Amino acid sequence: KNQVEQSPQSLIILEGKNCTLQCNYTVSPFSNLRWYKQDTGRGPVSLTIMTFSENTKSNGRYTATLDADTKQSSLHITASQLSDSASYICVVRAGGTSYGKLTFGQGTILTVHP
Amino acid sequence: DTEVTQTPKHLVMGMTNKKSLKCEQHMGHRAMYWYKQKAKKPPELMFVYSYEKLSINESVPSRFSPECPNSSLLNLHLHALQPEDSALYLCASSQVAVPTYGYTFGSGTRLTVV
Repeated sequence: KNQVEQSPQSLIILEGKNCTLQCNYTVSPFSNLRWYKQDTGRGPVSLTIMTFSENTKSNGRYTATLDADTKQSSLHITASQLSDSASYICVVRAGGTSYGKLTFGQGTILTVHP
Repeated sequence: DTEVTQTPKHLVMGMTNKKSLKCEQHMGHRAMYWYKQKAKKPPELMFVYSYEKLSINESVPSRFSPECPNSSLLNLHLHALQPEDSALYLCASSQVAVPTYGYTFGSGTRLTVV
């Protein structure tokens, strides 16, 4: 069964600090992995997408890593801002079908305090 | 245009009402999806349309009726809903045959059934 597990479930940090969110997956065959940011009551917004051959990708203050051998990914946020408070969801897309089925993690709820 | 537009943003309906949710994209994506998301949970897939044909129905009750009138539009018709159907309903779209592309989500419709 395809699964995506994220840790921690929730995280509280002070504004300006860095943090790292983790994602472990067992999805086969693997197509790509995407990190989404979701504000409460809003749709998920893509931060990064990584394929099998990529091991690091940055988008501003967000840097994602992927280790396809250990099936682990991380999302590092530098110099956090109050607006970073949201749920961060790791989503793995399986290959093998023309549309690709998604497996969602449960998300990490990040709270940034002033 | 790189957006998925959902209307309305909020909807309150009675259990005897009939209403529709609308989703529109102009990215040329030929796969479109409906998801249901309860608070603090990941989105759950409801329906997948591929080339305007229903490909997946994840055992969704018949009170939810999807419709894909053309390649840019996706509707979800609602009838005789229950209070437990209250949730955030997300539409998404993707390129069908290009596995390196993930999904683009809309901002969702917050549905409350009273």
